[in-house]
Amino acid sequence: DGGITQSPKYLFRKEGQNVTLSCEQNLNHDAMYWYRQDPGQGLRLIYYSQIVNDFQKGDIAEGYSVSREKKESFPLTVTSAQKNPTAFYLCASMESGTRTDTQYFGPGTRLTVL
Amino acid sequence: GNSVTQMEGPVTLSEEAFLTINCTYTATGYPSLFWYVQYPGEGLQLLLKATKADDKGSNKGFEATYRKETTSFHLEKGSVQVSDSAVYFCALNSAGGTSYGKLTFGQGTILTVHP
Repeated sequence: DGGITQSPKYLFRKEGQNVTLSCEQNLNHDAMYWYRQDPGQGLRLIYYSQIVNDFQKGDIAEGYSVSREKKESFPLTVTSAQKNPTAFYLCASMESGTRTDTQYFGPGTRLTVL
Repeated sequence: GNSVTQMEGPVTLSEEAFLTINCTYTATGYPSLFWYVQYPGEGLQLLLKATKADDKGSNKGFEATYRKETTSFHLEKGSVQVSDSAVYFCALNSAGGTSYGKLTFGQGTILTVHP
């Protein structure tokens, strides 16, 4: 089955630690995205990538980093510089990034800072 | 810039009631419009979409019509079920130039349906 997987489902981090969230897709999509979701709010874009070895900052990139070394993988690192990292993180992919295209989402990772 | 405004929730209905969730938008160009649904603890699933004015998207009994003149994309269902309880997000994609499919989301509307 084609789809997007995210791991782990739940992640706990101590203050001052960096953590990496995994996102893998086997849909052969070019574009991938990371969003953050906080209670009662919509999704906010952290980073996106339209092609391997290229990525762009979204609206709230501070304290986060990404890499895109393979088409199917787009890991997100939450660094110690992110002041309020507790949130639900969603990865998505899109075939081409055009206006009419559909974005497909993974199941999410819930990060809690202890 | 682009923005999406959804009706404030939560919305609580009895089973078989009629549902409307309002969505209005501001965007440059000619965006595509989407409704996504999120069940507790899960990611978002596409519910329906419309890519040009007057298009109607439909799926699982839900419908929404792209109204350019009122910049709206209201979600409707004639008879809701308990299983429809979820959070509903309206979103737009006005990709062009370097936008690369970036979605702009509304804040979400929580729907609870009681038996």
